[in-house]
Amino acid sequence: EDQVTQSPEALRLQEGESSSLNCSYTVSGLRGLFWYRQDPGKGPEFLFTLYSAGEEKEKERLKATLTKKESFLHITAPKPEDSATYLCAVQSNTGKLIFGQGTTLQVKP
Amino acid sequence: GAGVSQSPRYKVAKRGQDVALRCDPISGHVSLFWYQQALGQGPEFLTYFQNEAQLDKSGLPSDRFFAERPEGSVSTLKIQRTQQEDSAVYLCASSPKDRGLEGYTFGSGTRLTVV
Repeated sequence: EDQVTQSPEALRLQEGESSSLNCSYTVSGLRGLFWYRQDPGKGPEFLFTLYSAGEEKEKERLKATLTKKESFLHITAPKPEDSATYLCAVQSNTGKLIFGQGTTLQVKP
Repeated sequence: GAGVSQSPRYKVAKRGQDVALRCDPISGHVSLFWYQQALGQGPEFLTYFQNEAQLDKSGLPSDRFFAERPEGSVSTLKIQRTQQEDSAVYLCASSPKDRGLEGYTFGSGTRLTVV
């Protein structure tokens, strides 16, 4: 059965304190692994897609990496505006996304 | 419009009432998805349309849930005889690609509360 597990469930950081979020997955026929950001009361906002082990993508203070069984979202020197829930999802051949439960990040000034 | 638009943003329904949730996808997008997001959880797949054809409805939790996209554009998710467990945010997403491969754009959702 396709499954995605994210850890930790919640993370509190001081501004400037770098850390990583983990996404472990099992899926038959991986078409892509996605990271989304979700702010309260809004829909998920696309961040990255990774397609193969070893791939890395960066955007501002965020960097996503992928292995055969997990993905990491590294946050370097976070700012309070990075506070949000970060969702990881895998996409199978059918197109549906299977999401993890998310990691809620709070960055304090 | 520039993004995926959903209406209403909030809906309060009495238990047993029927509701209809609307999704306006990005113009020209062929793929349209509905997801259900319970509080504190990630979204869960409900159903998928390619143009007007509903190709996957395996995620619909019961026969009280029905979705349509008659002209391949606007979609409506209908829930009959609502129950408290239907309370959730219902998200719509669209993509220009078949099966939404390479990802899709989500709307802000409709928050349904059944009382």
